[in-house]
Amino acid sequence: GAVVSQHPSRVICKSGTSVKIECRSLDFQATTMFWYRQFPKKSLMLMATSNEGSKATYEQGVEKDKFLINHASLTLSTLTVTSAHPEDSSFYICSAKGLAAETQYFGPGTRLLVL
Amino acid sequence: AQSVTQPDIHITVSEGASLELRCNYSYGATPYLFWYVQSPGQGLQLLLKYFSGDTLVQGIKGFEAEFKRSQSSFNLRKPSVHWSDAAEYFCAVGARRDDKIIFGKGTRLHILP
Repeated sequence: GAVVSQHPSRVICKSGTSVKIECRSLDFQATTMFWYRQFPKKSLMLMATSNEGSKATYEQGVEKDKFLINHASLTLSTLTVTSAHPEDSSFYICSAKGLAAETQYFGPGTRLLVL
Repeated sequence: AQSVTQPDIHITVSEGASLELRCNYSYGATPYLFWYVQSPGQGLQLLLKYFSGDTLVQGIKGFEAEFKRSQSSFNLRKPSVHWSDAAEYFCAVGARRDDKIIFGKGTRLHILP
């Protein structure tokens, strides 16, 4: 099956700093990538959808200036958490989908801890 | 609006026993339906999906699910669970017009030896 990677797997940062998380499709071209956030013992919440070369579409209630998403190539999307605060601590998961595919493939997730 | 309900937060079964995890969805048209499994510290793995056709869907690891339109349900089943099946299971519904997937809150499966 298709493989999606995320880097880093874990990151700890100080409050006020920015953190970038990468999501890569390793063996297919991802025309669409999705970013989710998962709170402890909770479900996944879709944050935004990004299509290669276009601006991301954010879900209601997600601050686009806080969570910057870039999908500059068919194999890479990045999520930057700007001026991170402790409440941004969470598990961030990306998924990727090819143009003709019916299924999203999920990355292993990134655990963010903001001190 | 789409929604997914997994009524059981935790389920405990003995190893070798059968399993059924419940899932109900709300969607205005025929949805895409998915079951994913998430092991501790790991990402989501697709167990099976339903898009159309046969309402009984076979997946990986011996799992199956049945789409029942009249009940708006897509329950996951396995005839005999293994200790390695202990994980969090998510039911999800996707729209055909876009690629968004809405997840249920998950069911944590515990296996007794």
